[in-house]
This record gives sequence, C-alpha cells and structure tokens, in this order.
Amino acid sequence: AQTVTQSQPEMSVQEAETVTLSCTYDTSESDYYLFWYKQPPSRQMILVIRQEAYKQQNATENRFSVNFQKAAKSFSLKISDSQLGDAAMYFCAYRWNNAGNMLTFGGGTRLMVKP
Amino acid sequence: DVKVTQSLRYLVKRTGEKVFLECVQDMDHENMFWYRQDPGLGLRLIYFSYDVKMKEKGDIPEGYSVSREKKERFSLILESASTNQTSMYLCASSLGGANEKLFFGSGTQLSVL
Repeated sequence: AQTVTQSQPEMSVQEAETVTLSCTYDTSESDYYLFWYKQPPSRQMILVIRQEAYKQQNATENRFSVNFQKAAKSFSLKISDSQLGDAAMYFCAYRWNNAGNMLTFGGGTRLMVKP
Repeated sequence: DVKVTQSLRYLVKRTGEKVFLECVQDMDHENMFWYRQDPGLGLRLIYFSYDVKMKEKGDIPEGYSVSREKKERFSLILESASTNQTSMYLCASSLGGANEKLFFGSGTQLSVL
C-alpha cells in the first residue's frame, strides 16, 4: 500500500521569506502523480501544484515550486516570498495512475506566517 | 466554476443515532468521493463511486455506508454513530478518467456525543 508522510506537523515563516515543506512517499509503482493541496480556514481544499512522476523537471506555479527526487521518493514544496494568505494546512498527496482518481494523503503541515 | 456543496458545516449527534451527510455537485461529474479528515492523519478515503448506484470501499469503510441514486448526489450514512466517528467529513468529485482534477466541498464537522 502506498503511504505519504509529512514529518513537520507545524512550520512557521516570516512574511516575505521562503519556507520548505517536506513530504516523502512510499510506492512500488512508476506511473503516478504527486500533489500539494492547501486548506485555509474556510476548509476549501485548493490544488497548489502537481507533478507527474515521469517528468524530471520540477513543477512551478508562481511562488510555489517543488523539489521532486524520484529515487529518494521525496516531494517537498517551496513557498517563496511568503504572504499572510499562505497560512493554512498543506497536504501532500499521491495518486497511482491505474487507481482511478483516488488520492492518498499525508498527515498535513500547518503553516503559520508571521507579519 | 464547479461547485461541490455540503450544506451542513457543523452537526452534533448522539451515540447510536443515524447520520446522513449529503454532497451535491453541479457539473455532471462521474466520480464522487467521501473522505474523513483527522488531525495528524490527513484525509482518508471512506467510499467512492464511479457512477450512479455504483460504490467501492476505500481505506476505512467500516461503520459507514453510501448511497448514490442520482449522479449529482452522494450520501454518506452512519447507521449507528459512535464517538470515534467524530471527525471532519469532506466530499469530492471529478470527471471520469485518471487525470481529472478533484473538486472538494467545504466539509462537515461532525461531533458524536
């Protein structure tokens, strides 16, 4: 069974600085996607970024980028120029491409942004 | 924009009561999912459905059942609620196929006393 581990229950960052959230996963599959979701206090899950396993290039979306290390099964999220609105729970998730659209989530990291 | 609606934001029930949680999506999505969210455990899949009247067990189906009589509506049922079912319940939907984006509702926080 696939597992996703987020080892940092809480992180904090100063506004305008950079923070990295860690995620590791375990799978024997080679064809999969990885995701980072943000859940603000409104509870609405928002897709931040996704990475296809067969792509070596790290995905980037504006201030959000990932460091995907396939051999190490590591998928960290870097947030640059942190903003107050980035404060939220962040979930790392895995999806095997032959398993429909089902996601396996990590335990989450609560990010606090200090003004 | 796709809307996934969970009309109850908070719900309080007593042990042994039957609980219905309803989820409605407005974009004709084939796939619908129920997750529960607990601190430190993230989201865990309870049940999912790929079509009307079809259902599949997720990772933690014990103590739950589901119903999907219409395409847009997916209900989660707790036949006899227990305190260990106190949790946040999140519904999601997507188009069919493996690479479609998931859209989430805003969750129902259920407390079983």
